Amino acid sequence: GAVVSQHPSWVICKSGTSVKIECRSLDFQATTMFWYRQFPKQSLMLMATSNEGSKATYEQGVEKDKFLINHASLTLSTLTVTSAHPEDSSFYICSARDSGRLGYEQYFGPGTRLTVT
Amino acid sequence: AQSVTQLGSHVSVSEGALVLLRCNYSSSVPPYLFWYVQYPNQGLQLLLKYTTGATLVKGINGFEAEFKKSETSFHLTKPSAHMSDAAEYFCAVSDRDYKLSFGAGTTVTVRA
Repeated sequence: GAVVSQHPSWVICKSGTSVKIECRSLDFQATTMFWYRQFPKQSLMLMATSNEGSKATYEQGVEKDKFLINHASLTLSTLTVTSAHPEDSSFYICSARDSGRLGYEQYFGPGTRLTVT
Repeated sequence: AQSVTQLGSHVSVSEGALVLLRCNYSSSVPPYLFWYVQYPNQGLQLLLKYTTGATLVKGINGFEAEFKKSETSFHLTKPSAHMSDAAEYFCAVSDRDYKLSFGAGTTVTVRA
């Protein structure tokens, strides 16, 4: 149980285009999901907290107009990187909290490798 | 605010030897602590967690960690390393907003 999927697993896009990444909780409901960014050989940096039915909360320094987050249902959050540039190339990982459980555990997706050319 | 320090960015052990990964935290509230493992190009898998209760926590794959409040530590150990333990390990602390703060990570390599 507690499986989180991401789609696509990898994507290559041209500079200036937008790309959408999906994060789904497959066997539980998640009112809260999180989006992280990870550069090579580095730790995960929290970008934003995605809340079902409301606006996402962005961490300091993260451009909310560039990284659009939509959490339209209890099992799906999307991250759209708008007008992507090569510096946006990174590994993006989402996680989700099981709304039906007490506790602070997050379940992580497998990640999406974004390369902007 | 919460923060995590992982001592040693790289640990190399022989197969069958003890694995010890160090984690110290700072937290303004009683912490919830986690250890995650990450294999190349994959997401994170939870090894174990401490929330309340017993300070010695057992996780998957033979790993365990001990919460020591006086030392603000949550070190991860495994008595006997296996080749499959080669991976990146992250210690994390959670605040009351459910956000996780991660350490910088420790890369474990296992020598045959």
